[in-house]
Amino acid sequence: DTAVSQTPKYLVTQMGNDKSIKCEQNLGHDTMYWYKQDSKKFLKIMFSYNNKELIINETVPNRFSPKSPDKAHLNLHINSLELGDSAVYFCASRPTEGEQYFGPGTRLTVT
Amino acid sequence: QKEVEQNSGPLSVPEGAIASLNCTYSDRGSQSFFWYRQYSGKSPELIMFIYSNGDKEDGRFTAQLNKASQYVSLLIRDSQPSDSATYLCAPTKRGYSSASKIIFGSGTRLSIRP
Repeated sequence: DTAVSQTPKYLVTQMGNDKSIKCEQNLGHDTMYWYKQDSKKFLKIMFSYNNKELIINETVPNRFSPKSPDKAHLNLHINSLELGDSAVYFCASRPTEGEQYFGPGTRLTVT
Repeated sequence: QKEVEQNSGPLSVPEGAIASLNCTYSDRGSQSFFWYRQYSGKSPELIMFIYSNGDKEDGRFTAQLNKASQYVSLLIRDSQPSDSATYLCAPTKRGYSSASKIIFGSGTRLSIRP
């Protein structure tokens, strides 16, 4: 009965590869987010979807493409992975106003 | 100017003492303020939220908000070693839609020494 789940938990891949991270929430929230947390622990918002509609698209390379097939799912696809993409990626969901609930994170390592 | 500013620390506090964590924010339109705790290797979890000026207490935690000064703080009384973590200040900011988004500070690392 996990509220926000992400797969995979760990992802190790080589530069130039394409990879996807999946996120699902069972809280019934309308809004979902992707955050990137780098080695300095700064949590930076990347994207947000509200009811399958993209509402926040921060300054992120277009190699990153989010997709929301329904309001319970938000996936992140990354093309042509670079060393600087290594980080922990957190998915989160939130009701219209209120706190955010985070997934467990996906640690991406690009070699 | 950063949207949310926190002292990165580490802030070292003896066990049983009061830990004081401070945060300033730039958006005067921020309405809601959240404090998250993040243990190493884990995801952030909500500790407290505050909407109105003044103090809000929840157990050993007290959040303080001063919107005129654009300042929010978190006090932890009777600090325990289990309080050692990074604390993230997170005000809301009006986004592209009617819903707001939460902006996170870079966090203050707190260490409680026995």
